[in-house]
Order: sequence, then C-alpha cells, then structure tokens
Amino acid sequence: DAGVTQSPTHLIKTRGQHVTLRCSPISGHKSVSWYQQVLGQGPQFIFQYYEKEERGRGNFPDRFSARQFPNYSSELNVNALLLGDSALYLCASSSQALGALNTEAFFGQGTRLTVV
Amino acid sequence: GENVEQHPSTLSVQEGDSAVIKCTYSDSASNYFPWYKQELGKGPQLIIDIRSNVGEKKDQRIAVTLNKTAKHFSLHITETQPEDSAVYFCALSGGGADGLTFGKGTHLIIQP
Repeated sequence: DAGVTQSPTHLIKTRGQHVTLRCSPISGHKSVSWYQQVLGQGPQFIFQYYEKEERGRGNFPDRFSARQFPNYSSELNVNALLLGDSALYLCASSSQALGALNTEAFFGQGTRLTVV
Repeated sequence: GENVEQHPSTLSVQEGDSAVIKCTYSDSASNYFPWYKQELGKGPQLIIDIRSNVGEKKDQRIAVTLNKTAKHFSLHITETQPEDSAVYFCALSGGGADGLTFGKGTHLIIQP
C-alpha cells in the first residue's frame, strides 16, 4: 500500500514567486493537513481539509492557501514567497478529521522548499 | 492556543540503556498525545500514541505514560539500539480542527 506521497521532493524558488505543492493521502483517507517545519523546530499546523472543505487553519498569512480535490488529494499554494518561507512542508493523511475518535495522522516525506 | 514544552533537547544514552523524553502542556482540553520519530531527510513517523482516557500504553520497547492531573506525558524507550537514533517529537491535539501542536523535538543519540 502506498503511503502519503508528496511532490516535488525538492524545490528552489526566487523571492516573490508562487509555488504549488502536492499531496496524495493514503488510499481511503479523507483528510489532509499541511504543516511547515523550519530547520531545528517541530512542524507547525497550516491547514486541515476534510471532505474537500477547510476544517482548520493555523496562524499563517493569507499568502498561504490550499484546496482538496474530489479524489482527496490536496495542493498547498504560497504566493509572494519570502526568504522565511524556506522550510520542509509536510502533508499528513488521516481517515477522518483530526479530533475525531481513533484518528491518527500519517506524514509524507515532505517537500523541501528553498527560497533564494 | 495549545502549547507544549519538550525536554531534553538532546539526550545521549549508551546502547542498551533506557531513554525518557518528557512533554508538558497547559490546555486541559488536550485529549490526544502522539509521538513521532523523524530521521534525517524523512517525514515524521508515528511510533505510539495515547488518549486521555488511558494512563499508559506499551508497544514492545516503547511506552508512553500520561499524567492528566500534572499535564505531562512521557516517552520511554528501553534497551536502546543504534537505529533508535533520531529526533523525537511529542504532539497533542484538543479534539478541535487546529491540527497537532508539536514540541520542539529531542535529538536522541545512542552511543555504541
């Protein structure tokens, strides 16, 4: 069984550009969450999507947006990139929305974004 | 919002010894407490979790304990092996839609 898959694995962008990161959840999972992990820190919650609707949002600016498709895959978009957006972006897959009973989150390998 | 403190930031133990990592939190509404292991260049891997209606959970060499009154939970690894070397993160959620809140991580080093 395929786990959580993210693409691309690495990406280099210039300040001011736009980036789109992609995630495919575990087969049968309906919830995708996005996290930003800066070097040396724990992951920080950005968004949660369940059944194609946004269910939660962390403390990130409006430059960050996301969506979930009918097949439950998801995209994270970041506009007007800043140097400080350089990080590992992680996608987590859950069978139900986080907070539901007996729901665990499984992470992909991440996309390493470098902004220069 | 929820906050979680994780200690120590670095832990070095001899192979075969035990390792303990502790996390404390402030929000009494927190009810789910997973632990993740992250190896270099990889995403976090769920290794064990516990819910607020349970005080202890064990899976082979790994165990987690939860003290709801004192608001802390701990990861215990016994008979440590070289492959246990990694960064370990505690996390929690309160049942809402705000995802998981993570600690800052513990770099566990197993000395041969």
